[in-house]
Amino acid sequence: DAKTTQPTSMDCAEGRAANLPCNHSTISGNEYVYWYRQIHSQGPQYIIHGLKNNETNEMASLIITEDRKSSTLILPHATLRDTAVYYCIVDRGSTLGRLYFGRGTQLTVWP
Amino acid sequence: GAGVSQSPRYKVAKRGQDVALRCDPISGHVSLFWYQQALGQGPEFLTYFQNEAQLDKSGLPSDRFFAERPEGSVSTLKIQRTQQEDSAVYLCASSPLTPSVSETQYFGPGTRLLVL
Repeated sequence: DAKTTQPTSMDCAEGRAANLPCNHSTISGNEYVYWYRQIHSQGPQYIIHGLKNNETNEMASLIITEDRKSSTLILPHATLRDTAVYYCIVDRGSTLGRLYFGRGTQLTVWP
Repeated sequence: GAGVSQSPRYKVAKRGQDVALRCDPISGHVSLFWYQQALGQGPEFLTYFQNEAQLDKSGLPSDRFFAERPEGSVSTLKIQRTQQEDSAVYLCASSPLTPSVSETQYFGPGTRLLVL
């Protein structure tokens, strides 16, 4: 599976959009981009995933560049409860479900 | 509905002691995963069950680690002769079907193990 690179930390003002980048320059054609997040002392929580089209759900939007070498997770109106570690994962779904989390990005939303 | 639950939430063990960590997945979920998360790191895969069958145990760090899911629901992760490097949070996750690109994994809160 392709490796991902994320900034170690970011911060964002409450109510503003949080844009979390992820580089996955070695991604192959059949690999999906997943985002999970982990709030302190909780287990990871699925957010969104996509292949090449942009995706949106009730939690976030995922923007994948045309060459698929990078993506951005957008939380349109960040709240204090969005403070968490965000993990970008690239997976082709053929590894019997094992997810490679990396270290993720610590997002801190401040009031 | 009820999510994935794990017990105990915290466990302190003396070095050399055996421990057993329990995972109750979401009812009816076919797939069950165990992950280990060291302080400041992301979760790392340990093992995977499809119903009662352990299909992948390649992430288990040593033969001191053993996992089972005898009836295809509750799972137990056992660590024998614990060592200080076993100190970590142990996460359990389940998903409804066999793994695919569209299947979300639902995680429990984890068991924090501290080996003294």
